[in-house]
Amino acid sequence: EIVLTQSPATLSLSPGERATLSCRASQSISSYLAWYQQKPGQAPRLLIYDASNRATGVPARFSGSGSGTDFTLTISSLEPEDLAVYYCQQRSNWPLTFGGGTKVEIK
Amino acid sequence: EVQLLESGGGLVQPGGSLRLSCAASGFTFSSYAMSWVRQAPGKGLEWVSAISGNGGSTYYADSVKGRFTISRDNSKNTLYLQMNSLRAEDTAVYYCAKPLYDTSGYVNYDFDYWGQGTLVTVSS
Repeated sequence: EIVLTQSPATLSLSPGERATLSCRASQSISSYLAWYQQKPGQAPRLLIYDASNRATGVPARFSGSGSGTDFTLTISSLEPEDLAVYYCQQRSNWPLTFGGGTKVEIK
Repeated sequence: EVQLLESGGGLVQPGGSLRLSCAASGFTFSSYAMSWVRQAPGKGLEWVSAISGNGGSTYYADSVKGRFTISRDNSKNTLYLQMNSLRAEDTAVYYCAKPLYDTSGYVNYDFDYWGQGTLVTVSS
């Protein structure tokens, strides 16, 4: 099973700041990585697929990068509505696996 | 508009059974693989199971293999999860999720649509 390790566990930033979230895979997953945003009480929302492609309707301040084992989700300028937990997910191998999540707090 | 509506959750005793349903609309259901993902209270996401568009291929997480069965009725646009021998650790919100695309048998299992979830509580 491919283990995805997300860091940091919590990120506390002010509006307008840049947020950098990391996801590391236990073995190479090429670019088969997605990022999701989950706001309190809601289902997850797909942000990024195939490591760097924004899903439909996702604001341009969200971007993804990386390949192999190291991936990054960047929020270029944090908005108050970005308060959420962010998860990465790999589809390279069965079983599909998710990272443990990074909670983004707004100061 | 794509919609996924789960139902069937509730309180069940350890060792009991429950069947979840997910009614799909707004897309050609039979052309897409589908999946179940769960989230224990206050915890992260865990993939549970997936099924191909024609139902011929199924996949399971080790944690549920042999206890859960995924199926679908394409005539009713409905996905199911039969859960047997339930344990306390199966307590979670269960989401059905649609993959981004399913083209000529190649499935991108990044999930672009999710239901609102149904809560399963396993407790005596």
